Amino acid sequence: AQSVAQPEDQVNVAEGNPLTVKCTYSVSGNPYLFWYVQYPNRGLQFLLKYITGDNLVKGSYGFEAEFNKSQTSFHLKKPSALVSDSALYFCAVAFRSYQKVTFGTGTKLQVIP
Amino acid sequence: DTEVTQTPKHLVMGMTNKKSLKCEQHMGHRAMYWYKQKAKKPPELMFVYSYEKLSINESVPSRFSPECPNSSLLNLHLHALQPEDSALYLCASSRDLETQYFGPGTRLLVL
Repeated sequence: AQSVAQPEDQVNVAEGNPLTVKCTYSVSGNPYLFWYVQYPNRGLQFLLKYITGDNLVKGSYGFEAEFNKSQTSFHLKKPSALVSDSALYFCAVAFRSYQKVTFGTGTKLQVIP
Repeated sequence: DTEVTQTPKHLVMGMTNKKSLKCEQHMGHRAMYWYKQKAKKPPELMFVYSYEKLSINESVPSRFSPECPNSSLLNLHLHALQPEDSALYLCASSRDLETQYFGPGTRLLVL
C-alpha cells in the first residue's frame, strides 16, 4: 500500500528566511509525488509534481521540491518565505496505473512577519 | 477555462432533505473526483469517474449518490445525511489521472 507522511503538524518560519516542509513516502515501484497548498476555506491548489528525471522540481510561486530516492523523501522548499505563503500544505503520492492519490496529513506553515 | 467550479458554496440541510452538489470543468479532463474533507484533515477520496464511468467507490454510504451526466459535469446527490457528514466536499478533475485540479468546495452542514 502506498502512504505518505508529513512529520510536522506545523512549521513556523520568519518572513524572508528559507522554508522547508518535510514529506516522506512509503511505496514500492516508482511513485508520482505532488505538493498541494490549501488556503483557508478554499480547495487545494497544485504546486508541483515529480514523475521522473531531474530530482529538483520547480513549481508555482517560487516553490521547489527535491526528490531523494534513497531517503524516500520529497521535501518542499522555498528560498525566501512570504507572509502570504502561510497555508496548509499537503504532500501526495500516486501511481500511474492507479487513479488514487493518497494525501499526507498536512503541515500548517506559519510565516511570521 | 482552467478552473473547476462547484455550486453551491454553502449548503445547510436537515437529515430528511434531498440535495445535490454540482461540479463543472471545461478543461477536457476525462477523470473527475469527489472528496470529503474535515477541518484540518487531508481530503478523503469518495468516488472517481473515468470517461463518465464510475471507476472507484471508496465504500461510501449509499446516502451519497454520484452521477456523471457528461464529461464536464459531476453531481453528488445527498439524501438522509447524518450530522457527521458535515464537511467540505471537494470536486477535482484531471487529464492524466495524476495532477488533479480542485474546485473551491461546497461547505455542507447537516442539522
